[in-house]
Amino acid sequence: GAVVSQHPSWVICKSGTSVKIECRSLDFQATTMFWYRQFPKQSLMLMATSNEGSKATYEQGVEKDKFLINHASLTLSTLTVTSAHPEDSSFYICSAKAELVRGYTFGSGTRLTVV
Amino acid sequence: KQEVTQIPAALSVPEGENLVLNCSFTDSAIYNLQWFRQDPGKGLTSLLLIQSSQREQTSGRLNASLDKSSGRSTLYIAASQPGDSATYLCAVPQGDNDMRFGAGTRLTVKP
Repeated sequence: GAVVSQHPSWVICKSGTSVKIECRSLDFQATTMFWYRQFPKQSLMLMATSNEGSKATYEQGVEKDKFLINHASLTLSTLTVTSAHPEDSSFYICSAKAELVRGYTFGSGTRLTVV
Repeated sequence: KQEVTQIPAALSVPEGENLVLNCSFTDSAIYNLQWFRQDPGKGLTSLLLIQSSQREQTSGRLNASLDKSSGRSTLYIAASQPGDSATYLCAVPQGDNDMRFGAGTRLTVKP
């Protein structure tokens, strides 16, 4: 139980375009989801907290207009990287707090490459 | 603000060795601690979750201990195998919200 599905697993896009990443909780409801970013050989850094039905909370230094988060239902949160640039190339991972396992469960991640 | 440190940053051992990975955190007021495994280019796989009331958890060849008062946790891997090669991440909750991660220990088990 407590599975989080994240799509796509990898995407290559041209500079200036937008990319949407989806994160779904498959067998539980997640009122809160978290979006992390991981640069090569570095650990995960929290970008934003996604709350169902309300605005996301962004960490300091993360541009909310660039990284649009929508949490329209209890099972789906999306992260849209707008006007992507090569420096946005990174590994993006979502997670949800799952009471079922009393811990956090993570998606499989999305490797974004902006060319 | 919670800070998580993992030592060593990298570790290379021959197959069959027992090994210990270390994690320390600055704020001991945590309600659990989680160990994850990450393979290159992949997401996270939860290995062990220790609640604050527990001192250790075991799963197969893995054993994780927690000492809240000293802000430390260890992950013990017995009889290591090449398939254990990965990055191991320790994470603790930041309050009641997100998790804070250590930088990880990159483990290589040589055949």
